Amino acid sequence: EVQLVESGGGLVQPGGSLRLSCAASGFTSSSYWMSWVRQAPGKGLEWVANIKQDGSEEYYVDSVKGRFTISRDNAKNSLYLQMNSLRADDTAVYYCARQRGSGSLDYWGQGTLVTVSS
Amino acid sequence: EIVLTQSPGTLSLSPGERATLSCRASQSVSSSYLAWYQQKPGQAPRLLIYAASTRATGIPDRFSGSGSGTDFTLTISRLEPEDFAVYYCQQYGSSLTFGGGTKVEIK
Repeated sequence: EVQLVESGGGLVQPGGSLRLSCAASGFTSSSYWMSWVRQAPGKGLEWVANIKQDGSEEYYVDSVKGRFTISRDNAKNSLYLQMNSLRADDTAVYYCARQRGSGSLDYWGQGTLVTVSS
Repeated sequence: EIVLTQSPGTLSLSPGERATLSCRASQSVSSSYLAWYQQKPGQAPRLLIYAASTRATGIPDRFSGSGSGTDFTLTISRLEPEDFAVYYCQQYGSSLTFGGGTKVEIK
């Protein structure tokens, strides 16, 4: 059974940092692109970043470029999102998701809440 | 960046009725890279349709997708009580973007 489990969310002050993790099981994570998607309270879905199978390519939504870094450790079947210089508008539930070749996201974690507030 | 516009914002229907949801792209999207998701309150999104018209594993056949170019449609042939939720379209051509969502609510 494919499972994705996020962790690392919490309350952080504006300008602070947080590192999210996503533990994958039930499939060979090194065979898939992986994505992070976020959802602000009461709002829609926003793709944040994705990373190629071997970590050689990574892409970001403009609003997080230069502040967030996506990475992966295939030996540990884990995906990460390092978030720096956090702002109030980064407050959201962050989901990790497995990305198919078509770009669709076929498995999602349960999400981890990040709250940026003083 | 390709912008996806979903309409209507809210659809009020009764169980058993047909639901037709629209997703319009600001520029042409390859049909191979258009997907639809369902999200219920407090849950992660669930993939319904990928490649514009292919149902994901375990998705009932009352859900169907169609369209090409800039206009795509998700149809639910007969609404079941569990289908009342928010639906999002998503493209993966130029980057990856989601539409704003359509809420299907009980009338």
